[in-house]
Amino acid sequence: EPEVTQTPSHQVTQMGQEVILRCVPISNHLYFYWYRQILGQKVEFLVSFYNNEISEKSEIFDDQFSVERPDGSNFTLKIRSTKLEDSAMYFCARGRGYSLGYTFGSGTRLTVV
Amino acid sequence: AQTVTQSQPEMSVQEAETVTLSCTYDTSENNYYLFWYKQPPSRQMILVIRQEAYKQQNATENRFSVNFQKAAKSFSLKISDSQLGDTAMYFCAFMKPTPNTGTASKLTFGTGTRLQVTL
Repeated sequence: EPEVTQTPSHQVTQMGQEVILRCVPISNHLYFYWYRQILGQKVEFLVSFYNNEISEKSEIFDDQFSVERPDGSNFTLKIRSTKLEDSAMYFCARGRGYSLGYTFGSGTRLTVV
Repeated sequence: AQTVTQSQPEMSVQEAETVTLSCTYDTSENNYYLFWYKQPPSRQMILVIRQEAYKQQNATENRFSVNFQKAAKSFSLKISDSQLGDTAMYFCAFMKPTPNTGTASKLTFGTGTRLQVTL
């Protein structure tokens, strides 16, 4: 059973629409991260989330993006008004300590049309 | 800011042979962590091996080993006895610890090396 599960695995949305990507289920984890990988390019850090607050965010993570943990288990990334360039794989990850790095989820492929 | 460079966009190796993937990084930090992640066609990110900068001994995980040269800021991955299942993108990544949190901080990735293992 995977430690980090993401849903949906693939989402297609129209430009300008809002999308919500989810990490489920997670329990007793405090540190979460979102990363983005535009097809064929490197993996980029978006945001880290600790104890229900953003602890660090990148310049990519602008006002279009938000994260929250609405019910104490699910961890969501919301993109308010999607753009074509938001098309990418989005990975959720759980922190495991410095030397262990992360456990990544299986990713959500977002396609904006 | 830290940067990670993988200068080999693509590599190919025959089954059972050995291949080395290169990675260099730039940082002013003395304490940090380095990782190699594998991304097969399924797009899952899988941790292959990790190295703490304060350890001089090179990490080894079965067929995977690293050559960590701290002074040169080099962190190459050697895959021995290559198997068809090793075909994937390989990403080198750098982590600077966040003080007082005791957990992972953000990873900075290289651009990846696409490895093809052939018969």
